[in-house]
Amino acid sequence: DQQVKQNSPSLSVQEGRISILNCDYTNSMFDYFLWYKKYPAEGPTFLISISSIKDKNEDGRFTVFLNKSAKHLSLHIVPSQPGDSAVYFCAASDTGAGSYQLTFGKGTKLSVIP
Amino acid sequence: DAGITQSPRHKVTETGTPVTLRCHQTENHRYMYWYRQDPGHGLRLIHYSYGVKDTDKGEVSDGYSVSRSKTEDFLLTLESATSSQTSVYFCAIKSPVALRGRGGTEAFFGQGTRLTVV
Repeated sequence: DQQVKQNSPSLSVQEGRISILNCDYTNSMFDYFLWYKKYPAEGPTFLISISSIKDKNEDGRFTVFLNKSAKHLSLHIVPSQPGDSAVYFCAASDTGAGSYQLTFGKGTKLSVIP
Repeated sequence: DAGITQSPRHKVTETGTPVTLRCHQTENHRYMYWYRQDPGHGLRLIHYSYGVKDTDKGEVSDGYSVSRSKTEDFLLTLESATSSQTSVYFCAIKSPVALRGRGGTEAFFGQGTRLTVV
């Protein structure tokens, strides 16, 4: 039973355009959401997060949107750059559970074409 | 960058042998996690620790055990390695205290250990 779903295994975008990565979740107890970026042969690196009390968080070229009623979040990258090519993981946490563990989606491989 | 070191970085072992992976941190964070990454599955939690000698199971804990005798070290042991445990293993650390005003629940990952069981 997958609690965090990234339904697009891959996405290709032209350099300079917007990349939109989507994530859905089923557990209504999740109240903190994160995006991680992963290059081959490296560990995941934290990119941006959002608390359930917000619907948007922005950090430079990266913006995360949260729609709690739809249990959906998205990561927007504008403008996309070739260095953004990586696997992006959506993760969610129930901060009230005490373990602070993250539940991850399967990832979306983003390819930014020069 | 968070100070997390995983060792070894690569290992090939035979089916049926015990294997121990080590995660060492210099951040003094309370929470430590072991994840495995497999194609088509993303990152799945194996075990985690919320303090010295305090550990609990994650989603895919069968065939694995962990120990944490010191704050800085979290060991993952495959009791008797099987081919299904061929994977990339990641250690992560987290502080329960909000860091840099961000809410405090982001985890920092090590570089990973690629384990092949033949």
